[in-house]
Amino acid sequence: AQSVAQPEDQVNVAEGNPLTVKCTYSVSGNPYLFWYVQYPNRGLQFLLKYITGDNLVKGSYGFEAEFNKSQTSFHLKKPSALVSDSALYFCAVSPKYFGNEKLTFGTGTRLTIIP
Amino acid sequence: DGGITQSPKYLFRKEGQNVTLSCEQNLNHDAMYWYRQDPGQGLRLIYYSQIVNDFQKGDIAEGYSVSREKKESFPLTVTSAQKNPTAFYLCASSIDGVRTYEQYFGPGTRLTVT
Repeated sequence: AQSVAQPEDQVNVAEGNPLTVKCTYSVSGNPYLFWYVQYPNRGLQFLLKYITGDNLVKGSYGFEAEFNKSQTSFHLKKPSALVSDSALYFCAVSPKYFGNEKLTFGTGTRLTIIP
Repeated sequence: DGGITQSPKYLFRKEGQNVTLSCEQNLNHDAMYWYRQDPGQGLRLIYYSQIVNDFQKGDIAEGYSVSREKKESFPLTVTSAQKNPTAFYLCASSIDGVRTYEQYFGPGTRLTVT
């Protein structure tokens, strides 16, 4: 069975510093990988995805993520954190060639940017 | 929240009552999904529909029912058979259900059953 691990429930970063939110996954075959962000009492917003090709994926709001097949990781990064980046972040994985019914979400990482 | 509306935002019900959560999208997406979100857990799929007049059970369908009579609408009924219905419910859509395209989520409905 596939799974997603977000090992840190909470990440605190000073404003202006680089940030990393970690994600590792387990899936049969090649993966589709996603990052979503959720602001309080709101739905999730799509940030970026890895389907194929370049291992470094750029997304919305200056975020990027690096697909590392050997480490089965897909960490979310941003060079300089903003206070407005504070939110709950979800990583998700699906086996390739399936639809969203096979998408598995991690438990989320709460990112707090300290002014 | 991109073209998906959910109503109401907050819903309170007494135990034993059925309740229907609304989800409407104007994105012309074929596929729609219902998820349940509980604190400290990832999203769990309740039901999904890849096309009008067709829907499938997700991972936690027991105690829930859906219909998909129109492309833009995918209401979810939480029945009295659902043992622990208090949760945050999210509706989502994607271009189609054949592949894992990114999903667009509604703002959610927080259901409290007492």
